[in-house]
Amino acid sequence: NAGVTQTPKFQVLKTGQSMTLQCAQDMNHNSMYWYRQDPGMGLRLIYYSASEGTTDKGEVPNGYNVSRLNKREFSLRLESAAPSQTSVYFCASSAGQGVSNQPQHFGDGTRLSIL
Amino acid sequence: AQTVTQSQPEMSVQEAETVTLSCTYDTSENNYYLFWYKQPPSRQMILVIRQEAYKQQNATENRFSVNFQKAAKSFSLKISDSQLGDTAMYFCAFLLGSSNTGKLIFGQGTTLQVKP
Repeated sequence: NAGVTQTPKFQVLKTGQSMTLQCAQDMNHNSMYWYRQDPGMGLRLIYYSASEGTTDKGEVPNGYNVSRLNKREFSLRLESAAPSQTSVYFCASSAGQGVSNQPQHFGDGTRLSIL
Repeated sequence: AQTVTQSQPEMSVQEAETVTLSCTYDTSENNYYLFWYKQPPSRQMILVIRQEAYKQQNATENRFSVNFQKAAKSFSLKISDSQLGDTAMYFCAFLLGSSNTGKLIFGQGTTLQVKP
């Protein structure tokens, strides 16, 4: 049972570099999400995809882009990394549309440091 | 807009004792769901317990139970017979029943330390 798989687990970037965080789920879920977690601030939603082919901004979308490549995969891209984007990033998925009471399932997170 | 507040940044409890973590939320909706997630040092986010707002009975899962007070918009988590493995950050989360996106709103989290 892989669930939600995120890669990489750790990454160090220099300011201005670009990078894509990958996420895949094998639960046939409709909805997928990207969060960032910073000390004292809980989890904040960056972008989400309610269903294949759609993406929407969350609470903190600036500096990020996403792609819902297919039903399984939802990637997060930092085009020009900034130190303020140093964080732990989580991908999650849920049955979503039409099944709103289902909880989200999370990946193990990516610790990203921007120097 | 919905908000979730966890007013206790840190708590500690002795092993085998009982501890209660607080969560309050704000919404004008009547149909919603509430969750508690656990995040141990391994960083995994693990669902602990779920409560449907239309149910009056408090949810329980083994040593974990909730005290759901709908009128007061309160959703506290009680951990009985605390174990060292319960050491983690705990997040309260809210989901609108009408949501077709499954978007959760999280509280800021409470770090729980279980002491031997």
